[in-house]
Amino acid sequence: QAVVTQEPSVTVSPGGTVTLTCGSSTGAVTSGHYPYWFQQKPGQAPRTLIYDTNNKHSWTPARFSGSLLGGKAALTLSGAQPEDEADYYCFLFYGDDGVFGGGTKLTVL
Amino acid sequence: EVQLVESGGGLVKPGGSLRLTCAASGLILSGNHMTWVRQVPGKGLEWISFSNGVTNKISYADSVKGRFTMSRDNAKNSAYLQMNSLRDEDTALYYCLGSGSASSWGQGTPVTVSS
Repeated sequence: QAVVTQEPSVTVSPGGTVTLTCGSSTGAVTSGHYPYWFQQKPGQAPRTLIYDTNNKHSWTPARFSGSLLGGKAALTLSGAQPEDEADYYCFLFYGDDGVFGGGTKLTVL
Repeated sequence: EVQLVESGGGLVKPGGSLRLTCAASGLILSGNHMTWVRQVPGKGLEWISFSNGVTNKISYADSVKGRFTMSRDNAKNSAYLQMNSLRDEDTALYYCLGSGSASSWGQGTPVTVSS
């Protein structure tokens, strides 16, 4: 089974920009992995921020964007807000199998 | 707006069974992909099962293969997860998840496997 890797923890200053990445043990992440990004705050269910690499939901703040960058899926946060402090999980499809990354704990400080 | 509501969780002894239900509204399940995910409190998310709404193929994580069965009833617009031979390590909060623009999350249903 593939392993999906994320940075365990990242810190960003309020108003700053940060990029979280999502790599695959099988090689480059492509649009064919249909990358998803989920945000989870303590005590809450996850919510989907990005699907299929770069598509946003109606509730996704404009400051979040998804892309492919250097063979990885990437989630960029431009203009971090205190309320963005959360765990972020990426998810990749390998055919009909799915694999989550271990999550990135984002601190806004 | 897509809403998914999970139910059917509870306390069960090791070796026991449970059937989880995912009721969908604002979404026609037929033709849409569905995924089951679980999360041990304080831990990360784990993919459990995927139902391809186009090919009708269902896939499972190795950790549940042979014990869990995913199905769907399009008439009831619901998906199910039949969990047999439950183990302590299956204790978690279980979520269903749509795909793409329908990738909403419910609040989950808790499953506790304990003697």
